[in-house]
Amino acid sequence: DAKTTQPTSMDCAEGRAANLPCNHSTISGNEYVYWYRQIHSQGPQYIIHGLKNNETNEMASLIITEDRKSSTLILPHATLRDTAVYYCIVRVGAAGNKLTFGGGTRVLVKP
Amino acid sequence: DTGVSQDPRHKITKRGQNVTFRCDPISEHNRLYWYRQTLGQGPEFLTYFQNEAQLEKSRLLSDRFSAERPKGSFSTLEIQRTEQGDSAMYLCASSLPYRLAGTKETQYFGPGTRLLVL
Repeated sequence: DAKTTQPTSMDCAEGRAANLPCNHSTISGNEYVYWYRQIHSQGPQYIIHGLKNNETNEMASLIITEDRKSSTLILPHATLRDTAVYYCIVRVGAAGNKLTFGGGTRVLVKP
Repeated sequence: DTGVSQDPRHKITKRGQNVTFRCDPISEHNRLYWYRQTLGQGPEFLTYFQNEAQLEKSRLLSDRFSAERPKGSFSTLEIQRTEQGDSAMYLCASSLPYRLAGTKETQYFGPGTRLLVL
């Protein structure tokens, strides 16, 4: 699986949009971009994933650049409960493959 | 859908003792994964089952570790002769078969079992 690079940490204001970047310059054509988050002392929680088109669900939006070398997870209206470590993961989709977690981005939502 | 459950949630043991953890996946999820997470790090893959077959094992899974999924439903992870370095959160995840999930296949995690070896 391709490696990802994320900022170590970032702060955002409650009620504002949080934009979390991820670089995956070595991504292959059959690899999907997945985002998970982990709130303190809990198991990781699936957020969203995509291949090349932008995706949106009730939790977030995923914007993937045209060359697929980077992506941005957008939390449209951050709340205090969104404080967590966010992991960007690239893997071959639907192959029953393991998820390879990096260090993630520690996001602190401030009031 | 009650989610992935794990038992116990916390375990404290003395070095050299054996411990066993249980994971109950979401019903109809035939794939089951075990991960380990140490403090400040992301989860690391340990092993993966499809139904009762163990299809992949990480090099992290030393011979002191054994995982089973005898009837393709719940799974157990046993650690023999525990060491202090085994202290970690042990996470279980499950996912639907590809034939049902297709490109929407994703893993859902349980709350984890936190192990402390003294």
